[in-house]
Amino acid sequence: DSGVTQTPKHLITATGQRVTLRCSPRSGDLSVYWYQQSLDQGLQFLIQYYNGEERAKGNILERFSAQQFPDLHSELNLSSLELGDSALYFCASTAGLAGEQYFGPGTRLTVT
Amino acid sequence: AQSVTQPDIHITVSEGASLELRCNYSYGATPYLFWYVQSPGQGLQLLLKYFSGDTLVQGIKGFEAEFKRSQSSFNLRKPSVHWSDAAEYFCAVGRGGSQGNLIFGKGTKLSVKP
Repeated sequence: DSGVTQTPKHLITATGQRVTLRCSPRSGDLSVYWYQQSLDQGLQFLIQYYNGEERAKGNILERFSAQQFPDLHSELNLSSLELGDSALYFCASTAGLAGEQYFGPGTRLTVT
Repeated sequence: AQSVTQPDIHITVSEGASLELRCNYSYGATPYLFWYVQSPGQGLQLLLKYFSGDTLVQGIKGFEAEFKRSQSSFNLRKPSVHWSDAAEYFCAVGRGGSQGNLIFGKGTKLSVKP
């Protein structure tokens, strides 16, 4: 158990819909990262937050957004969903701005 | 741009045999290097990391990795594989500084035959 929690574990929704994925980092960790894992793209970095502020952006679509709240949990919002958004979405956390990342169990999103 | 290459998509070894998984990276400075393992339906578990210092690093579950700057490599090794080691292994490079996101290789799937 990494100490990072993610909810829900599974999510099935239809194209065009909007979903929210939630992540709670390890106790004391200030940085949260979001990654997408798909069969064709592999593991891709989406976005990083540190203590409530956006720090880095990767291959995140404009339809996707994220935020980190004062209690340090983070949410990833995916809107206007397409079939190609079906993937595993992971959250990871670190104590500082960089270093080894601890991953949550992931949210499996299926868009039908 | 940084990149990570894992040349072997799938490797099969016999239980008790030794294992080496290859990883090559492209990065301008000294990178942070990591190996993660992912069992089916699970998240990623950190096996070991290299930041600086001794180029041979020990990790959990009996794994070790060696950083070779001249070859831009960070290969993962285990002297004797157990059936429970069957999983997918990912090598990653981190930039450090204020942007700590990781860049992952495509992964190597390890199968263990009895």
